[in-house]
Amino acid sequence: NAGVTQTPKFQVLKTGQSMTLQCAQDMNHEYMSWYRQDPGMGLRLIHYSVGAGITDQGEVPNGYNVSRSTTEDFPLRLLSAAPSQTSVYFCASSYYRTGQETQYFGPGTRLLVL
Amino acid sequence: AQKVTQAQTEISVVEKEDVTLDCVYETRDTTYYLFWYKQPPSGELVFLIRRNSFDEQNEISGRYSWNFQKSTSSFNFTITASQVVDSAVYFCALNANDYKLSFGAGTTVTVRA
Repeated sequence: NAGVTQTPKFQVLKTGQSMTLQCAQDMNHEYMSWYRQDPGMGLRLIHYSVGAGITDQGEVPNGYNVSRSTTEDFPLRLLSAAPSQTSVYFCASSYYRTGQETQYFGPGTRLLVL
Repeated sequence: AQKVTQAQTEISVVEKEDVTLDCVYETRDTTYYLFWYKQPPSGELVFLIRRNSFDEQNEISGRYSWNFQKSTSSFNFTITASQVVDSAVYFCALNANDYKLSFGAGTTVTVRA
């Protein structure tokens, strides 16, 4: 049981480049989400999904796209990277039963946009 | 709207001292959950505790204890007899029925030997 996995661990992009951050979980969790962590701001929700085929925006969705074709995977796409997207990105997952399940986080992806 | 405030940015203590981390939250919902997560220098986020809004019973787990008070909208966290391994960033978070965790800015705890 690997839990929540994220790849890559670290990435450097040039402004305007695109890339996909991968997230996978093997716990059969219905709910998955992406957060970004910036100094002094805690974590902020980018996008989330309550099941395959269902996604919605969080607090800071601009510049990011997501899709959920399977229960296990929830990739985050940066269409045209900007320096403001330099951050640490965390994927999280949980069950979606009572509405208050604990979210478990992946190890994070550190992204630097030059 | 939900909001979590961790007023303490950094706390530095000497090993074996107790340290209390403050967390104040805002929500209009009557049903909500509060969480504490630990982020050690290695960077991962480790779940510590979850408390629902109907359970104000304080909890102790080893050297960790939590004090939840609805009257003051606070969910404070105490580390007793701190150790160097407790050095980390600690986040308080709130979820009010919609799975959208709202995090505080975090408190960096440094325990010196």
